[in-house]
Amino acid sequence: DSGVTQTPKHLITATGQRVTLRCSPRSGDLSVYWYQQSLDQGLQFLIHYYNGEERAKGNILERFSAQQFPDLHSELNLSSLELGDSALYFCASSVAVSPRSNYGYTFGSGTRLTVV
Amino acid sequence: GENVEQHPSTLSVQEGDSAVIKCTYSDSASNYFPWYKQELGKGPQLIIDIRSNVGEKKDQRIAVTLNKTAKHFSLHITETQPEDSAVYFCAAHTGNQFYFGTGTSLTVIP
Repeated sequence: DSGVTQTPKHLITATGQRVTLRCSPRSGDLSVYWYQQSLDQGLQFLIHYYNGEERAKGNILERFSAQQFPDLHSELNLSSLELGDSALYFCASSVAVSPRSNYGYTFGSGTRLTVV
Repeated sequence: GENVEQHPSTLSVQEGDSAVIKCTYSDSASNYFPWYKQELGKGPQLIIDIRSNVGEKKDQRIAVTLNKTAKHFSLHITETQPEDSAVYFCAAHTGNQFYFGTGTSLTVIP
């Protein structure tokens, strides 16, 4: 157990729908990062939050949004889902605000999203 | 932005042999290069990393080398064991982000 908890583990939904993925970081970690992992594109950075504030954005679609709550858990919201959104979604957490330091950069076990 | 390429995409070795996975990057400002191992059903786990001011780092059977001039870095696993079978990802850090390679599926044949 890495200490980073992601729920749900699996999610099947229809095109056009909206889903919410949840991530609880390791105890004491203030940063949460979201990644999308698809078969043909590897791990793609989506967004980074530190202590409730957005710090960096990667290749995140406008249909996707995220937030980090006062208790530091984070949610990734995916809307108007398309078949191509089917992927594994990982979050990672760290103590540091800057991902330059890999100190404590730990991944969760992911949420597998299938859009049918 | 940064572009990280990883080769090979699949690799099979006999138990006890060595495995080498190579990555290249494009942004000379990249300064930190971690390697992750991902087992089935799990998230990536850091196995070794190297910073741009170091040429080589070793941890037991795993080593990483970095050639800044050529912009490439490699993962070396010696005396491979069946439990080394997994997908391995390289990454480069620049511009406040990590950029990942597309992964290498390593199979160690007993």
